[in-house]
Order: sequence, then C-alpha cells, then structure tokens
Amino acid sequence: DVKVTQSSRYLVKRTGEKVFLECVQDMDHENMFWYRQDPGLGLRLIYFSYDVKMKEKGDIPEGYSVSREKKERFSLILESASTNQTSMYLCASSWSQGPNTGELFFGEGSRLTVL
Amino acid sequence: GESVGLHLPTLSVQEGDNSIINCAYSNSASDYFIWYKQESGKGPQFIIDIRSNMDKRQGQRVTVLLNKTVKHLSLQIAATQPGDSAVYFCAENEMGDDKIIFGKGTRLHILP
Repeated sequence: DVKVTQSSRYLVKRTGEKVFLECVQDMDHENMFWYRQDPGLGLRLIYFSYDVKMKEKGDIPEGYSVSREKKERFSLILESASTNQTSMYLCASSWSQGPNTGELFFGEGSRLTVL
Repeated sequence: GESVGLHLPTLSVQEGDNSIINCAYSNSASDYFIWYKQESGKGPQFIIDIRSNMDKRQGQRVTVLLNKTVKHLSLQIAATQPGDSAVYFCAENEMGDDKIIFGKGTRLHILP
C-alpha cells in the first residue's frame, strides 16, 4: 500500500523559530511537492522537486525553503516562522510527469500554528 | 494569472440523488484535469482524471465531463452516499509542466 508520511500532525511554534516539516514516501516516486491549505484558498503550491537535490518554486515560495537529499525524503523549512504561516501543510508525491499522470499521493497533513 | 476555480463553495445534496460539482479553468494550455476528494482530517485522494482529447470519462459512480470551448469541468457522482461527504478539488496540469494547480474546493454535504 502506497504511503506518504509526514512527521508531525500538529505543531505549535513561536514567531521567529525555525521549523522543519519532514515528509517521506515509500513509492520510489521522482516528484515530491509541498502545498499549504487554507480555508477558501484551496491548495497552493509552495515548492516541488522532480529529483534528488533539485527544487522548483511553486506559487508561494516566499518564507520557505526545501531540501531533498534523498529520493524518499522532502523537507520544508521555515527559517523564521511568522503568524501568517499558520496553516495546514500537505506533502505529496507522484511518478514522473513523463506520462503526465496527475495522481498525487498525499500525506495526512501537518497543522502548524505559529504564535 | 492563470487560475482554476469553482463556481460554488458548498453543495448540499439529498442522499441517493446525483451530485454535480463544477469547475472553471482559465489556462487554455491546460491539457490534463484531475478531481480529488478530501475527507475530514485526511489528505486529498485521486478520484478520476481526463485528458483534453476527451470530453467524458466514467469511473465507478463518477463521471467527469470536459468542455474545452467554455473551459469548464464537472464531476458527477451518481446515487450520492453519506461517504461522499467531503471537499472536492479540481486540478489542472499543462503538458511539460510538473506542477499541478488546484482550485479552491467545493464542500459536498449529504442530506439524510
């Protein structure tokens, strides 16, 4: 059974703290994604990666960075958390876009609250 | 900029009736469309997809219709059940682009 695992379901951090959100997939997928989900705004793409050590900015990369040192792991980093980064963060993975598959496999989400 | 959006944020349907969830897209270069279902407390799950060379595709109890002329996509759920209660997202992708862009979502309520 395919699985995307996000390390923390709930986090509470203070403004200015550095935050790491970890995501691991066991499907040998090339592509990995980080979205944030906010009420009324849907899912917005922060960053994605199509290979180890490769990354591409999504629509809202400001205030975030990512790391992909191994194929199965994709980390989202908030260098200095701010209250407007309070949100649900969703990690996803997929096969390469060669056949243009849109089947993303999502984790359960990490709800981050920044005080 | 390009966007994918939905006509209605909330839809209430009687159990047993058919549900129709609509989606408008604005990127004329999009050639691949996907519907996802997100149940409470879970990540979105793939339901069905359709490519731009088709105008209809059927799955189990679900049908996706694509009208490229008016850039409109719909998801039809037959004989709606309580387990269909969720937020439904349409998403789009352009050939050669790894990004999948999501709409804002429609919440489907099932009335007893």
